[in-house]
Amino acid sequence: GEDVEQSLFLSVREGDSSVINCTYTDSSSTYLYWYKQEPGAGLQLLTYIFSNMDMKQDQRLTVLLNKKDKHLSLRIADTQTGDSAIYFCAESDGASKIIFGSGTRLSIRP
Amino acid sequence: EAQVTQNPRYLITVTGKKLTVTCSQNMNHEYMSWYRQDPGLGLRQIYYSMNVEVTDKGDVPEGYKVSRKEKRNFPLILESPSPNQTSLYFCASTRSQGGSPLHFGNGTRLTVT
Repeated sequence: GEDVEQSLFLSVREGDSSVINCTYTDSSSTYLYWYKQEPGAGLQLLTYIFSNMDMKQDQRLTVLLNKKDKHLSLRIADTQTGDSAIYFCAESDGASKIIFGSGTRLSIRP
Repeated sequence: EAQVTQNPRYLITVTGKKLTVTCSQNMNHEYMSWYRQDPGLGLRQIYYSMNVEVTDKGDVPEGYKVSRKEKRNFPLILESPSPNQTSLYFCASTRSQGGSPLHFGNGTRLTVT
């Protein structure tokens, strides 16, 4: 079946860039998402990209998609303490459901 | 304010005692879904509903029931909870499952002893 894989943890220094990676298996994926989960809260959509795009930039966030390798990444420039959270990658074929990865916990070192 | 509201936020119960977790959205969304979140497993879909009176099983439906009598409400029912249903539960909704992003509630942390 379809699967979405992420590493579980990432630690970066404040002010550095964070890069969170994700791989997926469904070749019919049409939409790919990044969600952010802060402690005690639900998931909030950060950004998403259509499968016919290679890159999307939104302020400090850059999403890169390599459709051939089924690899998605989220880069957060100038990482701040408020960026500490769990980041979920997700994919959808636009028809029936969204499949989530296991989440990457981003921690920020001073 | 557009939101998905779940209740309760925290619930501790005993094995076998029926419980219901409510979910309501005020955005007139057709699609609603329940997920459980467990460490290292991400979010797994329990049940979803494409519209009123239309529900379908997700990846882990065993031990759960749902109903969709009205568009705004999508309760999750555990008829006989067991300890392996201890988890963090999220309700979510979206306009239609055509790629529109999901809006999530704040979660219900359930402990079954």
